[in-house]
Amino acid sequence: QKEVEQDPGPLSVPEGAIVSLNCTYSNSAFQYFMWYRQYSRKGPELLMYTYSSGNKEDGRFTAQVDKSSKYISLFIRDSQPSDSATYLCAMSARNYGQNFVFGPGTRLSVLP
Amino acid sequence: DTGVSQDPRHKITKRGQNVTFRCDPISEHNRLYWYRQTLGQGPEFLTYFQNEAQLEKSRLLSDRFSAERPKGSFSTLEIQRTEQGDSAMYLCASSLVGGLAYNEQFFGPGTRLTVL
Repeated sequence: QKEVEQDPGPLSVPEGAIVSLNCTYSNSAFQYFMWYRQYSRKGPELLMYTYSSGNKEDGRFTAQVDKSSKYISLFIRDSQPSDSATYLCAMSARNYGQNFVFGPGTRLSVLP
Repeated sequence: DTGVSQDPRHKITKRGQNVTFRCDPISEHNRLYWYRQTLGQGPEFLTYFQNEAQLEKSRLLSDRFSAERPKGSFSTLEIQRTEQGDSAMYLCASSLVGGLAYNEQFFGPGTRLTVL
C-alpha cells in the first residue's frame, strides 16, 4: 500500500459543477496537508495548506482534513475550464517540508 | 520574473551520457529541494539544501546522481551514465525557512529529461 493514495481520474465535470477531490493516507504522523495544482508541463503551485484536522476556505476552494479517518478533501465550487489541471495532495509530518509525500494526482477536466 | 527558474527545460540524451541541470531559486530563499516526477505520479523527493549544506538525500538518489549548491544560491543536479529509467521531469523548489508558521515550497517549471 502506498503512503498516500489518490484516484488518478480523469475526472470530467461540466462548468459550474462542484468538484470533490480526495486523498487517503496511512502515516498517522502527517500533520501538514497541502493541495497543489499542476498544469500540463508546469511545476506544481500551492492552492491550500491545512494544519491538523479541520476545514479551510479560500474563495472557491475548501480543504478538509479528517485525521481520525486519514482522509483529506478539496472542494472546488463553481468550477471553471481554467481549473482543468492535475491536483496533487501532499503531506508532511513536519513544518519544514523536506519530507513531503505527494499523491499521484487527479486529472480534472472542466468542460465549457 | 522572480520565481524559481530551471535550465534547460528539455533535455534529450543518449543512454550512458552525463547530464547537468541548473536551478535558480527565489533569491532570498535558503532552502532548495530537488524532486523527480514520472508520468502519472506525484513528485518524489530527492534531496534538499539548507543554504550550501546538503542535509538529506532520498534512497532514490543513487550514486550516479550528485547535487551541489556551492554558494547557497543556484543548484545543479548531475546524472552520470544516464539510464532509460532516469527519464522524468526533474523539479526544483525553494522555500524560506524561519519566522513564518508555514514555509511554502515554490516550484520551478521543471526540466524534462528523455534518455534514448
